Amino acid sequence: GENVEQHPSTLSVQEGDSAVIKCTYSDSASNYFPWYKQELGKGPQLIIDIRSNVGEKKDQRIAVTLNKTAKHFSLHITETQPEDSAVYFCAAAGADGLTFGKGTHLIIQP
Amino acid sequence: GAGVSQSPSNKVTEKGKDVELRCDPISGHTALYWYRQSLGQGLEFLIYFQGNSAPDKSGLPSDRFSAERTGGSVSTLTIQRTQQEDSAVYLCASSLGSGRADTQYFGPGTRLTVL
Repeated sequence: GENVEQHPSTLSVQEGDSAVIKCTYSDSASNYFPWYKQELGKGPQLIIDIRSNVGEKKDQRIAVTLNKTAKHFSLHITETQPEDSAVYFCAAAGADGLTFGKGTHLIIQP
Repeated sequence: GAGVSQSPSNKVTEKGKDVELRCDPISGHTALYWYRQSLGQGLEFLIYFQGNSAPDKSGLPSDRFSAERTGGSVSTLTIQRTQQEDSAVYLCASSLGSGRADTQYFGPGTRLTVL
């Protein structure tokens, strides 16, 4: 089955700087890659997703890139703000459904 | 519009008791998923319902865990004879389409504590 590795497990950045979270996957048949943000005490919320027919997608300060050849995808957050502090999960979807990474705790330092 | 709702939000029980967790998916969503999230961990798949098809129970950790979905809408996850290792947040998600690669929308979760 699919295996998703996510790095780093914790990321601390200064407010206003950029943050990058990286994920790799093992199943070349996976074709859908969502990113979720989970705030304390809440369920994961979809923030952006990408399908395998595109290499990059952007939504305001958030962007995701996908390299199918290398089987890795990344989340980029620019001009970070205090409200970006949360745990972020990547996932890869194939025939068996979504497999999640273990999460990255993003800390925005004032 | 209404999102996925779950109840109760918190449940404290004693070891050996049975518990029932409820999920109301987004109206019109045909697929429903249950996940378990232990402290500081990722999401562990438990079970998947799609329409009237037989559920995919491959993620259930033991026969103490079961789930049903009545009328293609509300789902109940039941844990019998709870153990301390069952303590976790149980998340429900639903999706509109029939594929396993469709966008999933999560509820707020039920935090289960087994004493």
